[in-house]
Amino acid sequence: DAKTTQPNSMESNEEEPVHLPCNHSTISGTDYIHWYRQLPSQGPEYVIHGLTSNVNNRMASLAIAEDRKSSTLILHRATLRDAAVYYCILRDERESNFGNEKLTFGTGTRLTIIP
Amino acid sequence: EAQVTQNPRYLITVTGKKLTVTCSQNMNHEYMSWYRQDPGLGLRQIYYSMNVEVTDKGDVPEGYKVSRKEKRNFPLILESPSPNQTSLYFCASSPRGLAPGELFFGEGSRLTVL
Repeated sequence: DAKTTQPNSMESNEEEPVHLPCNHSTISGTDYIHWYRQLPSQGPEYVIHGLTSNVNNRMASLAIAEDRKSSTLILHRATLRDAAVYYCILRDERESNFGNEKLTFGTGTRLTIIP
Repeated sequence: EAQVTQNPRYLITVTGKKLTVTCSQNMNHEYMSWYRQDPGLGLRQIYYSMNVEVTDKGDVPEGYKVSRKEKRNFPLILESPSPNQTSLYFCASSPRGLAPGELFFGEGSRLTVL
């Protein structure tokens, strides 16, 4: 699997937007970009995913660079509940054809929200 | 409510005493999987199952067994636990193909083997 690089930690003020960066310079054309987060004492939770175009859902937005070598997860208005470890994961969708929906988690970015 | 339920959430046991961690999902998902999470190593896949009676090894299967007799259940069995299996375990399920890469995780089972 292609590798991703994320900052170890970030801080943000409550009710401010948060931009979480992810570098993936070796991404291949069939790699989707997935974001998950893990709240304290919980299992990982799906946030968003995309291939080429920017994506929005109720939780966040995903901005993907034109060359796809980086992406940014955007939380539009951070709350204390958004404090978590955020994982940026690349997944080759051709793997779906073989049946294993495995995700390879790195160490992620620990996001702290300051009240 | 759609969920993946694991039991027990916390367990302390001794070396060699067989144990089973249960996992159940109520979303009719075909795919289920087990991960372990260790500091500095992230989450690593232990076993996965693409459907009933179909299971396969993940990246770290040694010391574990699984079974998939029903669609909703995917228990993880430690026949003879050892201290290096002390970890935080997560079960996950996916609708497979309908939402590629979207996994639903349980809340985790923290296992300590003395």
